[in-house]
Amino acid sequence: TQLLEQSPQFLSIQEGENLTVYCNSSSVFSSLQWYRQEPGEGPVLLVTVVTGGEVKKLKRLTFQFGDARKDSSLHITAAQPGDTGLYLCAGASNTGKLIFGQGTTLQVKP
Amino acid sequence: EPEVTQTPSHQVTQMGQEVILRCVPISNHLYFYWYRQILGQKVEFLVSFYNNEISEKSEIFDDQFSVERPDGSNFTLKIRSTKLEDSAMYFCASRLRGHSPLHFGNGTRLTVT
Repeated sequence: TQLLEQSPQFLSIQEGENLTVYCNSSSVFSSLQWYRQEPGEGPVLLVTVVTGGEVKKLKRLTFQFGDARKDSSLHITAAQPGDTGLYLCAGASNTGKLIFGQGTTLQVKP
Repeated sequence: EPEVTQTPSHQVTQMGQEVILRCVPISNHLYFYWYRQILGQKVEFLVSFYNNEISEKSEIFDDQFSVERPDGSNFTLKIRSTKLEDSAMYFCASRLRGHSPLHFGNGTRLTVT
């Protein structure tokens, strides 16, 4: 059974601070995706990483896929209150189904 | 931008009743999925559907569950006899190809009383 462990589950920081969210597994995934989910809405895709060691940037967000394609991280630089939300990592199996982590609830206080 | 739409947004039903959750995937997408999220827990895969048949299903997707694509636009999830533990957010998702980005609907909150 493929599992993804996401940490931390909750994070409360001040505006301007940096943070990193981790997603770890003992299994290899064909790709790994990061989503953001707002209350009452479905997950919205932020990025997909496919190649081991790949790094993608989305403004102040940096996503990295581990060399062995088992783990990933999301780093936010100079967090802003608008970054507040639930962040989900999800690994794609060979069949295309997604295995989700537990999610990280981020609160950025002004 | 095209989006996946789900109806209803909230469904309340009594234990033992049948419910049908409806989804309209993005029109040119070929792969369809149902996921669920019990309050406070992970998003869990239920079933994938391609070429008018189930391509994969999880252990959760037992005989009480079924999916159908009755016409060219709708994709439904039926729960034949609901249980209290079926209470969750149910998300429909679709993608164009097997590993292209997955687009989620806003979900149906199912409450079984």
